[in-house]
Amino acid sequence: KAGVTQTPRYLIKTRGQQVTLSCSPISGHRSVSWYQQTPGQGLQFLFEYFSETQRNKGNFPGRFSGRQFSNSRSEMNVSTLELGDSALYLCASSTVAANTGELFFGEGSRLTVL
Amino acid sequence: GENVEQHPSTLSVQEGDSAVIKCTYSDSASNYFPWYKQELGKRPQLIIDIRSNVGEKKDQRIAVTLNKTAKHFSLHITETQPEDSAVYFCAASKANAGNMLTFGGGTRLMVKP
Repeated sequence: KAGVTQTPRYLIKTRGQQVTLSCSPISGHRSVSWYQQTPGQGLQFLFEYFSETQRNKGNFPGRFSGRQFSNSRSEMNVSTLELGDSALYLCASSTVAANTGELFFGEGSRLTVL
Repeated sequence: GENVEQHPSTLSVQEGDSAVIKCTYSDSASNYFPWYKQELGKRPQLIIDIRSNVGEKKDQRIAVTLNKTAKHFSLHITETQPEDSAVYFCAASKANAGNMLTFGGGTRLMVKP
């Protein structure tokens, strides 16, 4: 069974640009969550989607948005990039609807903002 | 919202010794506490979890304890091996918060041969 796949793996952008990251969950997983990982702030929750609906959202500005498609694939978008958005963005999928099971993480998309 | 504090931030032990990592959480409604291990350059992976109706759980060399009254939970690794070297994250979540996890800041464990 294929794991969680994230694309692109690495990307470099400049301030003010926007970026779209993609996540394909494990087949059959309907919950997809996004986390930002930085050396200083650790792992911070961005948002979670379940059956195409955003279920929870973390404390990030409106420049961060996401969506989920009917096949459970998810995208997140960051507009008007800032230097502080440089981070590893991790996507995680789960087979369960509630907080009772394992999150399976992808390898992440490493974003560098210059 | 929930806040999870994790200590220590770095931990160095000799191979064969035990390692203990401690976390505290703030929201008494949290009921699920997983631990994730992240090796250098790799994705986080679940190593053990515990629910609020259980005080302790063991899986071979790894154990987790939970004290709901003190809002405190700990990871215990016995007979450490070099391959245990990684960053360990504790996390907490609530029943009505889907799969949203609040993570601690992480502990870098170094096991010296």
